[in-house]
Amino acid sequence: DTGVSQDPRHKITKRGQNVTFRCDPISEHNRLYWYRQTLGQGPEFLTYFQNEAQLEKSRLLSDRFSAERPKGSFSTLEIQRTEQGDSAMYLCASSLVGDEQYFGPGTRLTVT
Amino acid sequence: GEDVEQSLFLSVREGDSSVINCTYTDSSSTYLYWYKQEPGAGLQLLTYIFSNMDMKQDQRLTVLLNKKDKHLSLRIADTQTGDSAIYFCAEGFSGAGSYQLTFGKGTKLSVIP
Repeated sequence: DTGVSQDPRHKITKRGQNVTFRCDPISEHNRLYWYRQTLGQGPEFLTYFQNEAQLEKSRLLSDRFSAERPKGSFSTLEIQRTEQGDSAMYLCASSLVGDEQYFGPGTRLTVT
Repeated sequence: GEDVEQSLFLSVREGDSSVINCTYTDSSSTYLYWYKQEPGAGLQLLTYIFSNMDMKQDQRLTVLLNKKDKHLSLRIADTQTGDSAIYFCAEGFSGAGSYQLTFGKGTKLSVIP
């Protein structure tokens, strides 16, 4: 399967803990995006990379969130000191520049 | 700012056509997309239309765009039970500056056998 993959698919953590998610984009895609989706809502943009450069961050991305794409391939999204409001599905997408975005299956985070 | 709106629910009988509607506000949108999401899954790209087009047909799917009214619709012909899902409309921008998509809240399509 050469689609976008995300790991883990599900994560349950206690409030205050740190979590890290990984996204592997489609191999030739140079853009990678992170979105967050809460129950009953559409996905909301968090940030995106072109190759290894992080070019845009949404105001939704608080200081507790950090994303990296060190070699321009896979990306990680870390949330520090998780809060219950962070519970959501975290979606990764990839594309070529100017092309349509293809989404992965998502990581569902539950903060207890 | 950008805002994409959709009706939340649609129920149709198997074999009928479904029409899902969407309105958007950003006139500089270049592409408009339809994504499908099944329970617990990510988003599947169904189709998209460039803003200088009026219509696009792809097998059972027909997209209509009224740019003057900022209205987009997705018609699914011969709707099947496997089409039951949430359908998201999204607007985006082409070219080197494109990045985020802005999504509606989704329309939940229920197909009655």
